[in-house]
Amino acid sequence: GESVGLHLPTLSVQEGDNSIINCAYSNSASDYFIWYKQESGKGPQFIIDIRSNMDKRQGQRVTVLLNKTVKHLSLQIAATQPGDSAVYFCAEGGNTGNQFYFGTGTSLTVIP
Amino acid sequence: EAGVAQSPRYKIIEKRQSVAFWCNPISGHATLYWYQQILGQGPKLLIQFQNNGVVDDSQLPKDRFSAERLKGVDSTLKIQPAKLEDSAVYLCASSYRGLGQPQHFGDGTRLSIL
Repeated sequence: GESVGLHLPTLSVQEGDNSIINCAYSNSASDYFIWYKQESGKGPQFIIDIRSNMDKRQGQRVTVLLNKTVKHLSLQIAATQPGDSAVYFCAEGGNTGNQFYFGTGTSLTVIP
Repeated sequence: EAGVAQSPRYKIIEKRQSVAFWCNPISGHATLYWYQQILGQGPKLLIQFQNNGVVDDSQLPKDRFSAERLKGVDSTLKIQPAKLEDSAVYLCASSYRGLGQPQHFGDGTRLSIL
């Protein structure tokens, strides 16, 4: 199946700084990508999505960038807060169905 | 809107026993998924339903796992008999139509096999 991976398994940032979480995917035919946040003991929570016809999408304090040339996805969190501490997953959706492949995840720790 | 509901939240059984998990998706969501999430890993799809039909069960260990979605709403996932390696969190997710739609997850059932 598809392979979705993250460059850094852990990330620590100071409160108020910006965070950048990276993700690589292997299937150039994928056309839909989602970032999820997972807190301990909870299910993944949808943060933001992007389709392959876009290269940037912004939400509240979050921005997702998609570089199809190098098959790379990133999540930027502005003014990181303690509540942002969690594991972040990128998921790659194939265009043949709504099947998603998740990476291992990056654990983000925000230092007060 | 109410989220995806799952029960039980926790389950402890001995190997070779059977166990069942229940999921109630978001109202109106046609697509339902079951994922297995082993500690430290991302969720892995087990089975996907569109209404009450199976779309993808290629990663479901069919010799021990089964799932159904009668009437196209609630779903149950069963393991019989359980093995030690089945210890994981079992997540249910749903989406409105499937294609290109975000999935919304429940909080999962944490299964421990002794």
